[in-house]
Amino acid sequence: AQSVTQLDSHVSVSEGTPVLLRCNYSSSYSPSLFWYVQHPNKGLQLLLKYTSAATLVKGINGFEAEFKKSETSFHLTKPSAHMSDAAEYFCVVRGALNTGRRALTFGSGTRLQVQP
Amino acid sequence: SQTIHQWPATLVQPVGSPLSLECTVEGTSNPNLYWYRQAAGRGLQLLFYSVGIGQISSEVPQNLSASRPQDRQFILSSKKLLLSDSGFYLCAWSVKGPRAEQYFGPGTRLTVT
Repeated sequence: AQSVTQLDSHVSVSEGTPVLLRCNYSSSYSPSLFWYVQHPNKGLQLLLKYTSAATLVKGINGFEAEFKKSETSFHLTKPSAHMSDAAEYFCVVRGALNTGRRALTFGSGTRLQVQP
Repeated sequence: SQTIHQWPATLVQPVGSPLSLECTVEGTSNPNLYWYRQAAGRGLQLLFYSVGIGQISSEVPQNLSASRPQDRQFILSSKKLLLSDSGFYLCAWSVKGPRAEQYFGPGTRLTVT
């Protein structure tokens, strides 16, 4: 089985400062990992994904994440926060390949606030 | 390009009433389809997934059910809603394959009163 833990339920940064959203995963196999963003009352948008290629993954809107197997982490970063980045962010691990599910396991989410 | 639709966007229903939420996908064929629920302040929970017409797998036992009458149509239903069914319901699709990402619809906000 796989699981994912988002270490912070809320993160507040000032506009123009770096963003760090932390995620640790647990998996008995080589995982696929994703970050999704959800703006208020909206659906989910895929930010980026890791699928065993390059460990540093670049996504949309200037976000990137680094897969660190030794630390079982997949933290999301951005050099400079914008007001429009304020949203809920979900770290996600993919279901085991041999189950046929292809379903996702979501973390509990991190709400990012960006202060002017 | 592919698009995914959900309706209604919002719904207020009394306890004990039936429910039907619909999800359709355009621009692809034979997708995997998923229903998720997001309760207030919590992450998403997978409810059902389907790999083909008439093939439904349930992840969490509850008073909800799902059906897939057509290749690109996925329906979430209930005969009698409970207060605990309130939440944000998201439909998603993916192509088949081990590395395919899932794409989400706009969601339905359900309030059971």
